[in-house]
Amino acid sequence: GAVVSQHPSRVICKSGTSVKIECRSLDFQATTMFWYRQFPKQSLMLMATSNEGSKATYEQGVEKDKFLINHASLTLSTLTVTSAHPEDSSFYICSARQEPYGYTFGSGTRLTVV
Amino acid sequence: AQSVTQLGSHVSVSEGALVLLRCNYSSSVPPYLFWYVQYPNQGLQLLLKYTTGATLVKGINGFEAEFKKSETSFHLTKPSAHMSDAAEYFCAVSDFRAAGNKLTFGGGTRVLVKP
Repeated sequence: GAVVSQHPSRVICKSGTSVKIECRSLDFQATTMFWYRQFPKQSLMLMATSNEGSKATYEQGVEKDKFLINHASLTLSTLTVTSAHPEDSSFYICSARQEPYGYTFGSGTRLTVV
Repeated sequence: AQSVTQLGSHVSVSEGALVLLRCNYSSSVPPYLFWYVQYPNQGLQLLLKYTTGATLVKGINGFEAEFKKSETSFHLTKPSAHMSDAAEYFCAVSDFRAAGNKLTFGGGTRVLVKP
């Protein structure tokens, strides 16, 4: 079956530094990937839609300059949290759209900013 | 715009009892509907999905769901709960024909299974 690999699974960084999270589709090509943020005991909040070779589409209220998304190939999308602060601590999950009617999710990244 | 409502943020069932998780959706076009399960600190795993065709959909781990257009519902059931079913469950809707084709999630239902 389709597999999406997300790394790292956990990361702790200092306030003010940047963190990059990778999302790879291992056995299929994903022209579209999605990035979500999930707060404890809450549902997933879509942050942005990432399309290969073009700029990401951000949801309303998501800071483009803080959450940089790059979808440079058909199998890799990255999310960089720039100048991270404690309020950016959260669980981040990526998803890749798989034809014809599927979405496969990564295992998530727990980001803690100290 | 699409939306999903999951009735009941928490459900408690006894092991061996019926599991019923309710999901109602709103969509201006024929929806594609999904149920996902999430275990702590993990991503989402697909249980089942409805796109077209048969309205009763069978998924993994003994779960099934029925698409009822007249009721705009897609409730998830399992005849007999197992301890391993304790997790968070999300219902989601998508319109594959729309630009971006993004999933819209319900608020989630946390299932507790009592021995």
